Amino acid sequence: EDKVVQSPLSLVVHEGDTVTLNCSYEVTNFRSLLWYKQEKKAPTFLFMLTSSGIEKKSGRLSSILDKKELFSILNITATQTGDSAVYLCAVEARNKLVFGAGTILRVKS
Amino acid sequence: NAGVTQTPKFQVLKTGQSMTLQCAQDMNHNSMYWYRQDPGMGLRLIYYSASEGTTDKGEVPNGYNVSRLNKREFSLRLESAAPSQTSVYFCASTPGYSNQPQHFGDGTRLSIL
Repeated sequence: EDKVVQSPLSLVVHEGDTVTLNCSYEVTNFRSLLWYKQEKKAPTFLFMLTSSGIEKKSGRLSSILDKKELFSILNITATQTGDSAVYLCAVEARNKLVFGAGTILRVKS
Repeated sequence: NAGVTQTPKFQVLKTGQSMTLQCAQDMNHNSMYWYRQDPGMGLRLIYYSASEGTTDKGEVPNGYNVSRLNKREFSLRLESAAPSQTSVYFCASTPGYSNQPQHFGDGTRLSIL
């Protein structure tokens, strides 16, 4: 059975802190790993990773994939209150996405 | 620039009633998906349609049916709603070839009493 596990389930930080969100997976026929940010409504796409060891970066957010150890991390530096959201990790396998339960991030001002 | 549009946004049903959730995308995507999201469980795939004319079961298909009406539209039907189907439902689409992310609608919040 395909499985994606995210940790921590939730965390609270102060503005300016750096956070690291974790995602581990066990799936058959891995194709890619995706990170989404979900605020009130639709999940919005952040990154897609297909190759091991190559960092994807967008502003203060970055992510890297380790296909040998079957995990990914999402880093957010200099956090802002607008980063408060649920961060979802999903793995594409056999043309379908398998999602983790998400990490709830709250950034306090 | 609508993307993926879901209707309705909210709905309250009584147990046993039927309901169809509508989803339409204007990005000429081949593949479409229906998920449900429950607290602490992430998104779970109900049904998907890899291309027009095909549909397949996902992880939690029981109690649901789908119709891929045409390339743009993919509907989800609850024939006899149950309280366990209270959830937020998301529709998503993707071009259907690899290395392209799924794009999501804003969701339908469904409560079944």
